[in-house]
Amino acid sequence: RKEVEQDPGPFNVPEGATVAFNCTYSNSASQSFFWYRQDCRKEPKLLMSVYSSGNEDGRFTAQLNRASQYISLLIRDSKLSDSATYLCVVTAYNQGGKLIFGQGTELSVKP
Amino acid sequence: ETGVTQSPTHLIKTRGQQVTLRCSSQSGHNTVSWYQQALGQGPQFIFQYYREEENGRGNFPPRFSGLQFPNYSSELNVNALELDDSALYLCASSSSATGDLFFGSGTQLSVL
Repeated sequence: RKEVEQDPGPFNVPEGATVAFNCTYSNSASQSFFWYRQDCRKEPKLLMSVYSSGNEDGRFTAQLNRASQYISLLIRDSKLSDSATYLCVVTAYNQGGKLIFGQGTELSVKP
Repeated sequence: ETGVTQSPTHLIKTRGQQVTLRCSSQSGHNTVSWYQQALGQGPQFIFQYYREEENGRGNFPPRFSGLQFPNYSSELNVNALELDDSALYLCASSSSATGDLFFGSGTQLSVL
């Protein structure tokens, strides 16, 4: 079983749609959680950190459920510029803080 | 711009050859990590260097090796290249004090 698993993609949605990405992690010692965005074959960039209380940044909302070891990202009112691959990322206290990435979910927003 | 620079941006090698990839970390960052990203996959952790010492390694064979220099820049060396080594190699620099982490734009390695 992979340490971090994401919904298989791609997701093809129209502009203005709401889209949700799901992610599960296997290591209960995981301590920090993030969503990264990666444009085609460029470097990943931090989109947002994820906290147990949930957090929102404009059209983006992230949720963490430690009991279920589940992370989500909701994008409202999708824009063409949201088209990218979204990577779920976890770090664990017992793994020296290395980033553990999911395989990524590709999002394509169409006009 | 993140301040993390990698060179070269693209590289083509043949099986059995050796390659060295370079990374200059952001000013003030003392930790460098290397990741391998195959097509359609998420980045996989190769190893991390802190103050010139390796302090974490992923599931990669010994032919993947690295160095960190006193100015915190780093090299990734891969010996006896295999076709499956074809990937985007990403360097990330971070600060142990602030936790900030930034990726370079990567080196795309193709092994023929």
